[in-house]
Amino acid sequence: EDQVTQSPEALRLQEGESSSLNCSYTVSGLRGLFWYRQDPGKGPEFLFTLYSAGEEKEKERLKATLTKKESFLHITAPKPEDSATYLCAVRPYTGGGNKLTFGTGTQLKVEL
Amino acid sequence: DAGITQSPRHKVTETGTPVTLRCHQTENHRYMYWYRQDPGHGLRLIHYSYGVKDTDKGEVSDGYSVSRSKTEDFLLTLESATSSQTSVYFCAIKEASGGDTQYFGPGTRLTVL
Repeated sequence: EDQVTQSPEALRLQEGESSSLNCSYTVSGLRGLFWYRQDPGKGPEFLFTLYSAGEEKEKERLKATLTKKESFLHITAPKPEDSATYLCAVRPYTGGGNKLTFGTGTQLKVEL
Repeated sequence: DAGITQSPRHKVTETGTPVTLRCHQTENHRYMYWYRQDPGHGLRLIHYSYGVKDTDKGEVSDGYSVSRSKTEDFLLTLESATSSQTSVYFCAIKEASGGDTQYFGPGTRLTVL
């Protein structure tokens, strides 16, 4: 059974204080790993897809990295507008329908 | 914005009543999905569709049915709503142009009293 565990559950940072969110996964062959951002009362917003170990992707203050067992979302010099819940999901090679398994998310709050 | 709308956005209903949620997309995507999101569980797949009249179950499909009679609409029906179905429901699509990324709608908050 595919599993995704995100840590920490919640994280409080001061503006400018860099940190990393973790997504560890167990999957029968990883086809893709996805990061989303979710603001309160809204649907998840796509950030990144990673396909193979060693791959990195960046967008503004965010950088996602992937190993064979986990992914990290690095946040450099965060701002209050980066406050949100960050979700990680995996898609295995097996099974049809492009089904994703999600973690429960990390709730990030960035304070002034 | 993947051109996804959900209706209604909020609904309060009573136990035992039927409820239908609608997901509408404007860009002719083949794959559509229904998820529910609950504290401590993350997003869980209820049903998905891979074409008109082609649907399959997800991990939490009991008590739910779906229909897709045209490409743009994917309906989720709770035949007889229960309090355990109080949740936020999200629709998602996967673009047909390749890649595996799913894009989500704004959600429907359903409360079953």
